[in-house]
Amino acid sequence: QLQLQESGPGLVKPSQTLSLTCTVSGGSIDTDIYYWGWIRQPPGRGLEWIGSIYYTGSTYYNPSLNSRVTISADTSKNQFSLKLSSVTAADTAVYYCARLKEEYSSTWFPSFFDYWGQGTLVTVSS
Amino acid sequence: QSALTQPPSASGSPGQSVTISCTGTSSDVGGYNHVSWYQQHPGKAPKLMIYDVSTRPSGVPDRFSGSKSGNTASLTVSGLQAEDEADYYCSSYAGSSKHVLFGGGTELTVL
Repeated sequence: QLQLQESGPGLVKPSQTLSLTCTVSGGSIDTDIYYWGWIRQPPGRGLEWIGSIYYTGSTYYNPSLNSRVTISADTSKNQFSLKLSSVTAADTAVYYCARLKEEYSSTWFPSFFDYWGQGTLVTVSS
Repeated sequence: QSALTQPPSASGSPGQSVTISCTGTSSDVGGYNHVSWYQQHPGKAPKLMIYDVSTRPSGVPDRFSGSKSGNTASLTVSGLQAEDEADYYCSSYAGSSKHVLFGGGTELTVL
């Protein structure tokens, strides 16, 4: 059974960089047709896609966060990571990592998130 | 790219049916069949309930069904049960660069 687990600091100071890692067990991240993504949820609010990475290193980011986000993968550790720079209180949220399946219909499209981590709360505060 | 539009709340009595809508544009929901729905109970991670507009993953009760007409996708929960009370989110391919959109979420209350 595939499992994902987020880890990282629960408290980050304003203007600093938020760093989280997702460790995948029960399966490999270097698998075709699957991307690996980060999604966040501010307290009491909805889900927001942050970005996704393919094991080859191809990345795709939410345009609203693009200038501050970096997602990377370490296939030797079966992990992928999120860095979000210049954080403010508005970045306080539960951060989830998840597996995103691609499907083919004329070309490859991101389709659905089928496995999720339990989420980790990151608070931005001095 | 704007978030998909969902009603903030929906409700129904046990045994009844309720439908939650998810409205996008012809560039996302209306242009592709890559619409999915997620159920989220308080303090828990989202759970995939429907993908590809109307396909249920293994283990999801057949009380949950999905459909799409034009730029609006819908999730219908039939035979409401107390355990269905949760937040529901739709998601779609955003129409460009492998981006993904989520809806704002709908809080489903079982009366």
